[in-house]
Amino acid sequence: SAVISQKPSRDICQRGTSLTIQCQVDSQVTMMFWYRQQPGQSLTLIATANQGSEATYESGFVIDKFPISRPNLTFSTLTVSNMSPEDSSIYLCSARDRVMEQYFGPGTRLTVT
Amino acid sequence: QKEVEQDPGPLSVPEGAIVSLNCTYSNSAFQYFMWYRQYSRKGPELLMYTYSSGNKEDGRFTAQVDKSSKYISLFIRDSQPSDSATYLCAMSAGTDKLIFGTGTRLQVFP
Repeated sequence: SAVISQKPSRDICQRGTSLTIQCQVDSQVTMMFWYRQQPGQSLTLIATANQGSEATYESGFVIDKFPISRPNLTFSTLTVSNMSPEDSSIYLCSARDRVMEQYFGPGTRLTVT
Repeated sequence: QKEVEQDPGPLSVPEGAIVSLNCTYSNSAFQYFMWYRQYSRKGPELLMYTYSSGNKEDGRFTAQVDKSSKYISLFIRDSQPSDSATYLCAMSAGTDKLIFGTGTRLQVFP
């Protein structure tokens, strides 16, 4: 199974600023994803991070607000831009190694004040 | 109608009970089925993965898929307080994204 780490684990940010979340996988994976989880709710897919090309965003999420990079097969970043209190959430990195087994990182707990 | 339906609970059971967690779905193209366990303030942990129909057992956990009824289940035998968590079902038709249920919160009391 793939082991995924995220940095930072939590942060408190001011409205209007940006935060970049890093995701590192311990092995090369075919696909990486970014999810958002609001308190007490299930997971919402933000985008699929594509290696060497632009991310594929889900409905309701745009590149200007959530730019994503994936420079190689083990690393990705998600930036939450121009933050507002509505962006307060847990952001989860996920990776799929073989077949359809998909693993998650521990999450980044973001609070915007 | 949501693609995946899951009772949010909470489900409260005594230690040692058999727990049954369920999801229904509407997309007959789903072939891959997963159960995740998520402890409070942690990321989801992949618990069971099943392809197509049938049963899969791993220790105290059994996953069942009934594609004819579009119904999947996770059974936990001899439940323990450490099983208290939110359980999420997820499924996919292939190489595309996973569709998650809303999660069922389980509490096992001593």
